[in-house]
Amino acid sequence: QTVVTQEPSLTVSPGGTVTLTCASSTGAVTSGYYPNWFQQKPGQAPRTLIYTTSNKHSWTPARFSGSLLGGKAALTLSGVQPEDEAEYYCLLYYGGVWVFGGGTKLTVL
Amino acid sequence: EVQLVESGGGLVQPGGSLRLSCAASGFTFSTYEMSWVRQAPGKGLEWLSYISSSGSTIYYADSVKGRFTISRDNAKNSLSLQMNSLRAEDTALYYCARTVGTTDFDCWGQGTLVTVSS
Repeated sequence: QTVVTQEPSLTVSPGGTVTLTCASSTGAVTSGYYPNWFQQKPGQAPRTLIYTTSNKHSWTPARFSGSLLGGKAALTLSGVQPEDEAEYYCLLYYGGVWVFGGGTKLTVL
Repeated sequence: EVQLVESGGGLVQPGGSLRLSCAASGFTFSTYEMSWVRQAPGKGLEWLSYISSSGSTIYYADSVKGRFTISRDNAKNSLSLQMNSLRAEDTALYYCARTVGTTDFDCWGQGTLVTVSS
């Protein structure tokens, strides 16, 4: 069974920079896994931030960026705002199956 | 405006069945793939199923394979999920999501809650 692993929780100060990562139990994450990143706030549906590793939607704030880093997919927030406090999920594609990571709870403190 | 509205959730006994629907509007439904994703209370997201724009290609997660059936009616701009042999662990908020190829889950509904309990 394929497992996608994220940091359970991270804390960042307002204005700071933080990187969330997404690892695959099958090995290094590449662009072929089409990494997606989602933000979810309490009581809300998930919102897509990043698709195919680094592509942004029109609604994605410029401070969010996606990349591949050290064999993992990564989501970097630069200049963190209080409203960025949320749960963040990555999603990887395994040829007919998608697997979400367990989520990272980001606290802005 | 792109909109997805799920319905059909409710309370069902273990072993029972339920059919969820997702009404799409604001885009050409027949040209987009669609997926179902669920979230158990207080837990993370779980991808369940995918259907291509024509309905010719379908994928399922192992956790629901053989019990759930995804389908679509492009004439009615509607996506469905037939859920049979429901278990307590199927209790969750069920979301439909517009899927762009294999690369992007770009639009989500607000979800419909399914509770499996006796």
